Amino acid sequence: TQLLEQSPQFLSIQEGENLTVYCNSSSVFSSLQWYRQEPGEGPVLLVTVVTGGEVKKLKRLTFQFGDARKDSSLHITAAQPGDTGLYLCAGGGPQAGTALIFGKGTTLSVSS
Amino acid sequence: KAGVTQTPRYLIKTRGQQVTLSCSPISGHRSVSWYQQTPGQGLQFLFEYFSETQRNKGNFPGRFSGRQFSNSRSEMNVSTLELGDSALYLCASSFAGRGDTQYFGPGTRLTVL
Repeated sequence: TQLLEQSPQFLSIQEGENLTVYCNSSSVFSSLQWYRQEPGEGPVLLVTVVTGGEVKKLKRLTFQFGDARKDSSLHITAAQPGDTGLYLCAGGGPQAGTALIFGKGTTLSVSS
Repeated sequence: KAGVTQTPRYLIKTRGQQVTLSCSPISGHRSVSWYQQTPGQGLQFLFEYFSETQRNKGNFPGRFSGRQFSNSRSEMNVSTLELGDSALYLCASSFAGRGDTQYFGPGTRLTVL
């Protein structure tokens, strides 16, 4: 069974601080997606990474896919209260037909 | 392009009842997946439908079932509700499934009393 472990589970920081969220697995994924979910809403896709070693930037968010495609990280620079939410990583299986595997998420709270 | 819509948004049922949830995917998307989200277990995959056929199924009891119509709209049904079925049920659509980018609806919050 493919599993994705996210850490930390909870993060509470002050506005302006930097943070990194990790998503790790012992399995290889063909793609890795990051979502953000706000209370009462469904997850919203932030980015998809597909190539080992790939780095993508979305304003203050930097996403990296591990060289072996088993892990990923999300780094937020100068966090803002609007970044508050549940961050989920999800892995696409290497074989056709495999459903996305989700980590349990990191709950981020940024206070001003 | 309109997003994924789910109805109803909130539902309260009692143990033993059954419930049907509905999902309308993004136009042109043929794959619809259903997930159950709880604080303890996170997002757990229920099943995926593609072109009216169930293509993938997660590890849930037979009380959970679904179907997809020719217009790609999907429904899921939970029979003989249990307290533990209280959760946010999310529907996601994608063009072809199989690990493609999924676009989620806002979910249906089901409370079982």
